[in-house]
Amino acid sequence: GENVEQHPSTLSVQEGDSAVIKCTYSDSASNYFPWYKQELGKRPQLIIDIRSNVGEKKDQRIAVTLNKTAKHFSLHITETQPEDSAVYFCAASKVRNNNDMRFGAGTRLTVKP
Amino acid sequence: EAQVTQNPRYLITVTGKKLTVTCSQNMNHEYMSWYRQDPGLGLRQIYYSMNVEVTDKGDVPEGYKVSRKEKRNFPLILESPSPNQTSLYFCASSLVDSYNEQFFGPGTRLTVL
Repeated sequence: GENVEQHPSTLSVQEGDSAVIKCTYSDSASNYFPWYKQELGKRPQLIIDIRSNVGEKKDQRIAVTLNKTAKHFSLHITETQPEDSAVYFCAASKVRNNNDMRFGAGTRLTVKP
Repeated sequence: EAQVTQNPRYLITVTGKKLTVTCSQNMNHEYMSWYRQDPGLGLRQIYYSMNVEVTDKGDVPEGYKVSRKEKRNFPLILESPSPNQTSLYFCASSLVDSYNEQFFGPGTRLTVL
């Protein structure tokens, strides 16, 4: 089955700096890579996702890149703000096959004002 | 409002006392899943269901049971809880015919003494 590794486990940045979280996956057949944000005491919520036929996707201050050959994908947050502080999870799965969605261990991002 | 609900939100119990955590979704999703979240381990899948009367084990099914008698409900049953089942539990649901964002419930924090 799929195995997802996520780094770093904790990340602290100054407000306005960029933050990068990296994930690797093991199953070359995986083709859907979502990122979830979990604020303290809240449920995980999807913030951005990327499909295997796309190398990069942006949504305002967040972007995700995918390298299928190397089997890794990354989340980039620019101009970080204190409200970006949260735990971020990457995941990998195959479309129409949710039973094999696997999550990374999570990255706790702290943005210091 | 489209949502996934869980009850109870918090539960403190003792070893061996059977309990059920309910999960319900109103989005007509075929897929439902239970995860447990533990520090440093991310979200690990316990059981999932692709549709009514179809359930299967995830990565950490030991000590848990589920049922899917109706499309909207997917209860998690702990027949004889043990302290190592102390965790934060999330139910999630999604469609199965597209790139599948999973919608999470608010979480249930369970403590087994």
